[in-house]
Amino acid sequence: DSGVTQTPKHLITATGQRVTLRCSPRSGDLSVYWYQQSLDQGLQFLIQYYNGEERAKGNILERFSAQQFPDLHSELNLSSLELGDSALYFCASSGPTGLGGGRNEQFFGPGTRLTVL
Amino acid sequence: GQQVMQIPQYQHVQEGEDFTTYCNSSTTLSNIQWYKQRPGGHPVFLIQLVKSGEVKKQKRLTFQFGEAKKNSSLHITATQTTDVGTYFCAGYAGNNRKLIWGLGTSLAVNP
Repeated sequence: DSGVTQTPKHLITATGQRVTLRCSPRSGDLSVYWYQQSLDQGLQFLIQYYNGEERAKGNILERFSAQQFPDLHSELNLSSLELGDSALYFCASSGPTGLGGGRNEQFFGPGTRLTVL
Repeated sequence: GQQVMQIPQYQHVQEGEDFTTYCNSSTTLSNIQWYKQRPGGHPVFLIQLVKSGEVKKQKRLTFQFGEAKKNSSLHITATQTTDVGTYFCAGYAGNNRKLIWGLGTSLAVNP
């Protein structure tokens, strides 16, 4: 158990709909990351938040948005869903930058499997 | 843009054989991390390398960071069925805030 929780575990919805995925980071972690993993594809970085502010942006579609709340939990909103959005969505968290030039490792949640029909 | 290439994409070995996956970056990396994702699971951090030429070992796993800090490798000696999964490398380029991920190498082990 990584200490990162994600809800829901599974989500089935229809094209054109909007869904919200929720993530609670490990206790004390300020950074939250969102990833998309489709079949036969690696991890696509979507976005990172640090202590409530957007820190880095990856290949996140305009139809997708995220935010991190004062209690540090984060939500990923996916709208106007398309069949191609079906994927596993992971949230990860990490602590402050590590010492010695390293960066702290990311701890991943169990993921939310989204199926768009 | 910055890319991290990982080869091979798939590897199928007999239990007891060795396995190596390679990670190559188009730019110099400040550090590199390795993760393992078991089938049906989530990525789990294995190790981080920071120094040029660094070598770290975890039991049967040996991780190397190239002298130029542009490539890395993960070598597994005498694979076991518990090694099955996808191995990802990921690195930061300089002060870039984004962790750049390789596409992973999926390892299958025949008992």
